[in-house]
Amino acid sequence: GAGVSQSPSNKVTEKGKDVELRCDPISGHTALYWYRQSLGQGLEFLIYFQGNSAPDKSGLPSDRFSAERTGGSVSTLTIQRTQQEDSAVYLCASSFGGLAGGDNEQFFGPGTRLTVL
Amino acid sequence: AQSVTQLGSHVSVSEGALVLLRCNYSSSVPPYLFWYVQYPNQGLQLLLKYTTGATLVKGINGFEAEFKKSETSFHLTKPSAHMSDAAEYFCAVRSSASKIIFGSGTRLSIRP
Repeated sequence: GAGVSQSPSNKVTEKGKDVELRCDPISGHTALYWYRQSLGQGLEFLIYFQGNSAPDKSGLPSDRFSAERTGGSVSTLTIQRTQQEDSAVYLCASSFGGLAGGDNEQFFGPGTRLTVL
Repeated sequence: AQSVTQLGSHVSVSEGALVLLRCNYSSSVPPYLFWYVQYPNQGLQLLLKYTTGATLVKGINGFEAEFKKSETSFHLTKPSAHMSDAAEYFCAVRSSASKIIFGSGTRLSIRP
């Protein structure tokens, strides 16, 4: 596929359970970003990976959130002990270069809609 | 610090009418500015961007935006709305090597 893919497209879970969200970036893109889009809100930056550098985790809302990127490609966002306020659409994006290239276009995946009951 | 303000969370126009979506930004250094569009149940798609040079930027689907430094604005316009333009539009700003900051979005509805 040519674009960013995310799985699952929808996830319903019970409060307190852990969830894993997956992102497959565009092949060759070195930068990968996670955002959260809550109902009626803009996009909230969560975490940024660039190559082999340490990720920028400054947007993670709590220590229940973590992410990893294996082999510089696929990324997994993990939310532990989910809460109802975690319900949102989680968007992944990738770009050819990182933040140093200020106008590097980010290509977005379709998102994962997470519902915590 | 960077910030983006989109005036109007919901804009409704008639088909064929002018579309104007407002965006004001705050940045301590010359910014890069973006408009993204999100169609229902789809991911965000870049509509247009301003980096340097010409301040009037043309994008896809007949949209354009003008960077006005004196007004710290980057409003999005389209002369004649089409039903297919109904979507959520996000303005975004980034400066230098900082993260991209998105506005809260404006939902555009088109009346027949």
